[in-house]
Amino acid sequence: AQSVTQLDSQVPVFEEAPVELRCNYSSSVSVYLFWYVQYPNQGLQLLLKYLSGSTLVKGINGFEAEFNKSQTSFHLRKPSVHISDTAEYFCAVKITQGGSEKLVFGKGTKLTVNP
Amino acid sequence: DAGITQSPRHKVTETGTPVTLRCHQTENHRYMYWYRQDPGHGLRLIHYSYGVKDTDKGEVSDGYSVSRSKTEDFLLTLESATSSQTSVYFCAISQGGRVGGMDGYTFGSGTRLTVV
Repeated sequence: AQSVTQLDSQVPVFEEAPVELRCNYSSSVSVYLFWYVQYPNQGLQLLLKYLSGSTLVKGINGFEAEFNKSQTSFHLRKPSVHISDTAEYFCAVKITQGGSEKLVFGKGTKLTVNP
Repeated sequence: DAGITQSPRHKVTETGTPVTLRCHQTENHRYMYWYRQDPGHGLRLIHYSYGVKDTDKGEVSDGYSVSRSKTEDFLLTLESATSSQTSVYFCAISQGGRVGGMDGYTFGSGTRLTVV
């Protein structure tokens, strides 16, 4: 079975500090990995994705993530956060089975950026 | 989000009544999904569809049914609503395959359902 574990439910940081949101996945086959962001009272927006190729993936709003196959991780990073980055972040993995596919999410990490 | 709409946006209903939520897409995507979002649980898959009349269960399908008679519409029905089904429901669409992966999954704006 494939699943996603987000190791921190809440991450408070100060403005302009670096941040890392951790995500581990379990999978025995090739993976497609995603990070989504949800701002308060809004829907989900794709931040970045890993399908194949370079293990360092750059996304929108200055975020990047590194795919590490040996550690089965896909951690999200930003070198300097802004107040506007306050949101909930979700890691997800695409599962393909029996000719169909679905997206499985972690439980989310709430990032709070304080002044 | 462009190309996907959910209705209604908000609904309050009484325990034991049937409720149907609608997801409509204009992208002609093959896959459509229904998730529910609850604090501390992230998004959990209820049901999904990989084509007209082709559906399958997700991890939290009990108490829900779905139908997809047209490519563009995916309906989620709560046959007899319970308070535990109070949640925010999101629909998502995808082309599937590597192209779908490149595009990611597109989510609707959500339906906030309260069962009293």
